[in-house]
Amino acid sequence: GQNIDQPTEMTATEGAIVQINCTYQTSGFNGLFWYQQHAGEAPTFLSYNVLDGLEEKGRFSSFLSRSKGYSYLLLKELQMKDSASYLCAGMDSNYQLIWGAGTKLIIKP
Amino acid sequence: DAMVIQNPRYQVTQFGKPVTLSCSQTLNHNVMYWYQQKSSQAPKLLFHYYDKDFNNEADTPDNFQSRRPNTSFCFLDIRSPGLGDAAMYLCATSLTSGGYNEQFFGPGTRLTVL
Repeated sequence: GQNIDQPTEMTATEGAIVQINCTYQTSGFNGLFWYQQHAGEAPTFLSYNVLDGLEEKGRFSSFLSRSKGYSYLLLKELQMKDSASYLCAGMDSNYQLIWGAGTKLIIKP
Repeated sequence: DAMVIQNPRYQVTQFGKPVTLSCSQTLNHNVMYWYQQKSSQAPKLLFHYYDKDFNNEADTPDNFQSRRPNTSFCFLDIRSPGLGDAAMYLCATSLTSGGYNEQFFGPGTRLTVL
């Protein structure tokens, strides 16, 4: 079956760094997406990885290892506005997104 | 600004009373999606359109129907809402369906069933 696993909740301190892990099992693989979703709002796109390695975009970076079925989202210099859920989604061979339930990130001052 | 618009943002209906949610887009994207998302859960794909080609997910209940009369608009009809259908309904679009195609989401419609 297809599955995305990510922690339910994480807590971090303002100004610090946090890494949110995701493991995936999909039928075929056409990339791994990360979305940010604030409470009561729609998801917004953060990053896409299809090749192994690290993609950096400002304070956010995303890493992929296809051999391990593993990705992480790295958030640096955390700000209070980063408090949100972070959704990992794998794209399968039919180009369908398989979504994780999201990791709720709580930022404390 | 190009965007995905959903109306209404909040919808209250009664048990068994049909309801229609609407979505429009100004992105001129080929693909439109409807997702159901319950609290702290992953978005669940209900169906999607590639142009006028309708694709229903195997586990989408018959109670849910969809229409896409033109490129810009897509509707979700819930024929007889049950209490379990209370959720956030998200409309999304993408340019095409393959590879690197981020999905752009509307703000969602939160459905309450009384």
